[in-house]
Amino acid sequence: AQKVTQAQTEISVVEKEDVTLDCVYETRDTTYYLFWYKQPPSGELVFLIRRNSFDEQNEISGRYSWNFQKSTSSFNFTITASQVVDSAVYFCALSEDPGKLIFGTGTRLQVFP
Amino acid sequence: DGGITQSPKYLFRKEGQNVTLSCEQNLNHDAMYWYRQDPGQGLRLIYYSQIVNDFQKGDIAEGYSVSREKKESFPLTVTSAQKNPTAFYLCASSIAGGGNQPQHFGDGTRLSIL
Repeated sequence: AQKVTQAQTEISVVEKEDVTLDCVYETRDTTYYLFWYKQPPSGELVFLIRRNSFDEQNEISGRYSWNFQKSTSSFNFTITASQVVDSAVYFCALSEDPGKLIFGTGTRLQVFP
Repeated sequence: DGGITQSPKYLFRKEGQNVTLSCEQNLNHDAMYWYRQDPGQGLRLIYYSQIVNDFQKGDIAEGYSVSREKKESFPLTVTSAQKNPTAFYLCASSIAGGGNQPQHFGDGTRLSIL
């Protein structure tokens, strides 16, 4: 069965610290997709990144970077030099079947000034 | 601006009452989805639709119903059969129904029991 585990329920850091959010997934399929979403206090989920199972290249987008490792079934997300505006709940999700996203329980990140 | 509009933002339901949550998108997306979010939990899929006049049950469809008569609209009805409806409901859409398509979300509707 598909499953996504985000073991960190809540993380607190001080501004400018680097922080890594962990995501471990389980799937039997060889073709799958992984996503990260951000949920600010306003409630809507904001799409951050998609990675397919055939592409293990790490990705960097500004202060955000993602480390995908099939060998450990992990898709971790790092924020460099965190800012107060990064405070949100972050969800990792796995997709196999058309239209079915399996979400982790989320990690609440609090960045203090 | 293109996007997904959910209404109302807050909704209260009396015991034994059906209520309908609205979701409209102007992104010209084929696929639409409804999720439920409970405190401290991830999102769980209620229903999804990959094309007009067609929809499938998700993981927690019991007590809910949907329709997809128009491409831009995917209303969700929470029926009286749903015994624990208090939650945050999120609607999403994607260009197509494939697993590789990112889903774009609305602002959500918070439903509470009176």
